[in-house]
Amino acid sequence: AQSVTQPDIHITVSEGASLELRCNYSYGATPYLFWYVQSPGQGLQLLLKYFSGDTLVQGIKGFEAEFKRSQSSFNLRKPSVHWSDAAEYFCAVGDNSGGSNYKLTFGKGTLLTVNP
Amino acid sequence: IAGITQAPTSQILAAGRRMTLRCTQDMRHNAMYWYRQDLGLGLRLIHYSNTAGTTGKGEVPDGYSVSRANTDDFPLTLASAVPSQTSVYFCASRREHTGVGETQYFGPGTRLLVL
Repeated sequence: AQSVTQPDIHITVSEGASLELRCNYSYGATPYLFWYVQSPGQGLQLLLKYFSGDTLVQGIKGFEAEFKRSQSSFNLRKPSVHWSDAAEYFCAVGDNSGGSNYKLTFGKGTLLTVNP
Repeated sequence: IAGITQAPTSQILAAGRRMTLRCTQDMRHNAMYWYRQDLGLGLRLIHYSNTAGTTGKGEVPDGYSVSRANTDDFPLTLASAVPSQTSVYFCASRREHTGVGETQYFGPGTRLLVL
């Protein structure tokens, strides 16, 4: 069964600092990977996704993520964090076996606090 | 474009009462999903529907039922609410249930407190 681990429950960074959120997955085939962001009191918004090709993917709001098959990782990065980036971030893996049971499996989330 | 709407935004419910959470999407997506989000547990799939007229069980279906009479609506019903169903509920949709590259879109959520 597929699974996603986000090792950091809570991260605090200063505004302007760089950010890396970790995500490790377990999946038997080529994974389809996603990062979502959830602002307080809001639903989830897709930041970026990886299916194939270039292992460095660019997303919205200046975020990027790098797929590393050898490490089973899909870490999210941003060179300079803004106060508005404070939110909870979820990594997810999509079941690519097709058929009727497609679903996303989410990690438990990483809460990002940004200090002024 | 509204995307996905959910109602109510929040609700306090007495245990034992019946409650239906509403979800409507205007994107003509075939696949729809219900998740619950609990602190420290992330999002867990309750039920899904690949297309109108079909439904399936997710990871945590007990105590919940769904129906999919048409493409746009996917209501979630708690037949007899219990305190453990206190959670934030998210409805989601994607264009097709196949095609794993499809983006899944989420509604704003319903916050439910069962006392």
